[in-house]
Amino acid sequence: KAGVTQTPRYLIKTRGQQVTLSCSPISGHRSVSWYQQTPGQGLQFLFEYFSETQRNKGNFPGRFSGRQFSNSRSEMNVSTLELGDSALYLCASSPTETSGRNEQFFGPGTRLTVL
Amino acid sequence: AQSVAQPEDQVNVAEGNPLTVKCTYSVSGNPYLFWYVQYPNRGLQFLLKYITGDNLVKGSYGFEAEFNKSQTSFHLKKPSALVSDSALYFCAVRDPSRGNQFYFGTGTSLTVIP
Repeated sequence: KAGVTQTPRYLIKTRGQQVTLSCSPISGHRSVSWYQQTPGQGLQFLFEYFSETQRNKGNFPGRFSGRQFSNSRSEMNVSTLELGDSALYLCASSPTETSGRNEQFFGPGTRLTVL
Repeated sequence: AQSVAQPEDQVNVAEGNPLTVKCTYSVSGNPYLFWYVQYPNRGLQFLLKYITGDNLVKGSYGFEAEFNKSQTSFHLKKPSALVSDSALYFCAVRDPSRGNQFYFGTGTSLTVIP
């Protein structure tokens, strides 16, 4: 099976712009989560989608939003970019289950730099 | 309240020596615990997990972890470190009482010295 793919791998934007990141989960996985990784904060949970519905949400401002499509692909949008949004954004998918016992499979990430 | 703590930002160990990367958690009930490894410019790779049963869990690349409920710890161990083990290690907890959301520690950078 192909792994989790994320596009683009690298992005450079300026303050005030908006950006959309894309994630394709492993085939058959219906749960997709997004994380922000920065050197000082580690991995911060953004949100999780399951069957096109947001199931969990982290403590991020409303500028961060996401959605999931019927084929389980997910997009994450950040509007009005700030310098502090520079980070590695990771997408992870899990098999179709709700027990919580399954691990997540991570993509390589999208490196966003805000100038 | 922080759910997962990795008290050491950096761990150095000589090649061939045993290694330990520490993790403690603070969630109620019976959490699910995970370890991931991240190599430079890569996403996280799953190493092992504790769900229930035997407190000693074995995972990929010779790693193992011991679940200790009384100390709320889940330390990662390996009997003999390799230079190729040098990477960033993350402990994570999934709390069934909080919607099964993953909580990650801040990571521990492991350097194995030849």
